[in-house]
Amino acid sequence: DAGVIQSPRHEVTEMGQEVTLRCKPISGHNSLFWYRQTMMRGLELLIYFNNNVPIDDSGMPEDRFSAKMPNASFSTLKIQPSEPRDSAVYFCASSWEVTDTQYFGPGTRLTVL
Amino acid sequence: QQQVKQSPQSLIVQKGGISIINCAYENTAFDYFPWYQQFPGKGPALLIAIRPDVSEKKEGRFTISFNKSAKQFSLHIMDSQPGDSATYFCAVLIKAAGNKLTFGGGTRVLVKP
Repeated sequence: DAGVIQSPRHEVTEMGQEVTLRCKPISGHNSLFWYRQTMMRGLELLIYFNNNVPIDDSGMPEDRFSAKMPNASFSTLKIQPSEPRDSAVYFCASSWEVTDTQYFGPGTRLTVL
Repeated sequence: QQQVKQSPQSLIVQKGGISIINCAYENTAFDYFPWYQQFPGKGPALLIAIRPDVSEKKEGRFTISFNKSAKQFSLHIMDSQPGDSATYFCAVLIKAAGNKLTFGGGTRVLVKP
């Protein structure tokens, strides 16, 4: 069975550019989570969806970040414009229900120059 | 606002030894205490989890101990193996607060052969 799929795996961009990260959750999972991991702040929840609806976006750092889930099999996290401090590994995770075990994707390593 | 404090930040243990990682939490209303294991370049993966009505849970060489009065829970890795070398994260979840997982800062474990 395919796990959570994220693309791209690595992204290098210049400050000011738009960045779009993509996630395909495990089929049948109803909840999807976006996390950011840095050395300084560890793993932080940015936003999560349940049945394609955003439930809690209190972790989104600022208006430059936005996330969408147009259907049950696809979600995007967009940063516009990107800044060097956005450099991190971004993980997508999914679960059957919100309180169930979360399965993480391999992550996207973002570097903003 | 840090709700989970994890220690130590790093740990070196000889093969066959015991690795012990501790987490302290502040809020008493947590519902679920999972531990995640993360290998370099990979996303975190659920290792073992415990609920507050249970004081201990063992799965193979991994044991979680939960001390509700001290607001602490710990992970013990018995007979540590080089393949256990990874970063371990404790986490807490409060269903009443939106079902969000809050992670500890992580412990990097190195098992020397």
